[in-house]
Formats: sequence, C-alpha cells, structure tokens
Amino acid sequence: QKEVEQNSGPLSVPEGAIASLNCTYSDRGSQSFFWYRQYSGKSPELIMSIYSNGDKEDGRFTAQLNKASQYVSLLIRDSQPSDSATYLCAGPPRSSASKIIFGSGTRLSIRP
Amino acid sequence: NAGVTQTPKFQVLKTGQSMTLQCAQDMNHNSMYWYRQDPGMGLRLIYYSASEGTTDKGEVPNGYNVSRLNKREFSLRLESAAPSQTSVYFCASSPPTTGGDSPLHFGNGTRLTVT
Repeated sequence: QKEVEQNSGPLSVPEGAIASLNCTYSDRGSQSFFWYRQYSGKSPELIMSIYSNGDKEDGRFTAQLNKASQYVSLLIRDSQPSDSATYLCAGPPRSSASKIIFGSGTRLSIRP
Repeated sequence: NAGVTQTPKFQVLKTGQSMTLQCAQDMNHNSMYWYRQDPGMGLRLIYYSASEGTTDKGEVPNGYNVSRLNKREFSLRLESAAPSQTSVYFCASSPPTTGGDSPLHFGNGTRLTVT
C-alpha cells in the first residue's frame, strides 16, 4: 500500500464552483500534511500545510485533516481557470519527519 | 537569493553511461531531497538527507547513489543509466522541522532522457 494515495483524476469543475481534492494516508502516526500545486512543466509550489484535526483556511483554499479516518482534503472555493493544475498531497511517516512522501497527484481542470 | 539550483536542465544519455546531477541551496536548510517524476505520476522519493553527513533511501533508490557534500550541496549519481531512468528529476530542500511549516523548496528540475 502506498503511504499517500490520491485519485489521479482528471477532475473537471465549472468556474466559480468548489473543487474538492482528497488524499488518504496509511501511517496512523503521521502528523503533518502538505498540499502542493504544480503547473505543467513547472516545479511544485506549496499551497497549504496542516497539522491539527479540523479545518485550516487561507483565502479561497481550505485544508481539512481527519486523523481518525486518515484522510486530508483540499477545497478550492470560487474556482478560477488559473487553478487548473495538478495538486499533490504529501506528508512524512511517523518514523521520519524528514521523509516527505507524495501522492500521485490529482489533475484539476476548471472549465469556463 | 537563488534558492535551489539544479544542473543541468536537460541531459541525454546512452544506456550504460554515467552522470551526476548537481543540486545546491543557499537557504541554510538542513534537509535535502531528490525526487523523480514520470508522466502522469506524482513525485517519488529517491534519496533524502535529513542533515549534513546523513543520507537515507526513499521509495525508489535502486540504480542511484547520492552524496551530501556539505550543507549546501546534494548530488545524485547514475552509475549505469537505463531507459527506465528517463524522467524529470527534482531536487528540494527544507528547513528544520520545528512543528511549524517546513515546506519543500524545489529546484527547476532536470529533464533526463536515456536512449
């Protein structure tokens, strides 16, 4: 079982709607999670990090962490064409805080 | 402030050739990483170095070696390149984990083709 898993998509969402991206992880002891955005041909860039159960909001982005169910999600409100990208979930296992493992990424397309 | 610098940006190798990918960061980060990304896939961890003087295997270490030359530099070596190593390689670094944000800072990537 891969340590961090995502649906690869593609996920198509109309402009202005909410995009919901999900990620599950296998190590119950994992403490922190990150969402990265990657445009085609570019390097990943950090959008959000989350460490505690519940929601964390930053502008149009909300990260949600549920440690009991071992999933983390990213909500994008008022989706814009510029949000079209691949979104990568990442986190370290409890055994090593420095070992950052990524999911396979979800490709998001915002349609006009 | 250059951040994370990778060289070269592009490379074509023949099967069996060797090469070293170079990575340097100027942010005084402790941890450094090498990932590979294949089409339609996420990033897979090859090796990482939590601090100067230490290196550890990631998810896909076979066929690769690394050297943490000093705090700034972390190189990735392919001793005998294979077509399966055709990929985009990303180097990244991060500050110490303190319970707060420790995001990865990525280089621009090296696109490697092995024929």
